[in-house]
Amino acid sequence: QKEVEQNSGPLSVPEGAIASLNCTYSDRGSQSFFWYRQYSGKSPELIMFIYSNGDKEDGRFTAQLNKASQYVSLLIRDSQPSDSATYLCAVNRPPGNQFYFGTGTSLTVIP
Amino acid sequence: NAGVTQTPKFQVLKTGQSMTLQCAQDMNHNSMYWYRQDPGMGLRLIYYSASEGTTDKGEVPNGYNVSRLNKREFSLRLESAAPSQTSVYFCASSLDRALPYGYTFGSGTRLTVV
Repeated sequence: QKEVEQNSGPLSVPEGAIASLNCTYSDRGSQSFFWYRQYSGKSPELIMFIYSNGDKEDGRFTAQLNKASQYVSLLIRDSQPSDSATYLCAVNRPPGNQFYFGTGTSLTVIP
Repeated sequence: NAGVTQTPKFQVLKTGQSMTLQCAQDMNHNSMYWYRQDPGMGLRLIYYSASEGTTDKGEVPNGYNVSRLNKREFSLRLESAAPSQTSVYFCASSLDRALPYGYTFGSGTRLTVV
């Protein structure tokens, strides 16, 4: 069983819609959860992170964490073509705060 | 502010050749990492250095060696390249491995071994 699983997509949404990206993780000891955006041919860049159950909002982005169900999601409101990228979910857990990355979900926002 | 700088950006090697990938960060981060990214496999940790003077194996260390030259620099060496090492390599750094903060990634090195 993979530490972190994501639907590879591709996920397509029209411009202005809400894009919903999901991620599940296997280890209940996971403590911190991260979303990275990776444009084609570029390096991952951190969008946001969440530690506690519930929602965390940052501009058009909202991260949602449900530890009981072991999933974390990213909502992108008012999606723009510039949001078209691969979104990587990562979790961090003991020992040693090891990071585990999912394989990413490809998002395309259609103008 | 350069962040994390990797060199080279592209490299083609013949099987059996050696090379060193260089990485430097200017953010005064304590921890540095080398990852490889392959289609369908995601990012996999090769080696990491929690602090200057220490290095440890990650998930896929075979065929690689690392050196933490000082606090800023962390290099990855392929002693005898194999086609299976064709990948995109990313260096990353974080403030402290003990703190659950995210990484800052370098721009990557696309390595092809023929």
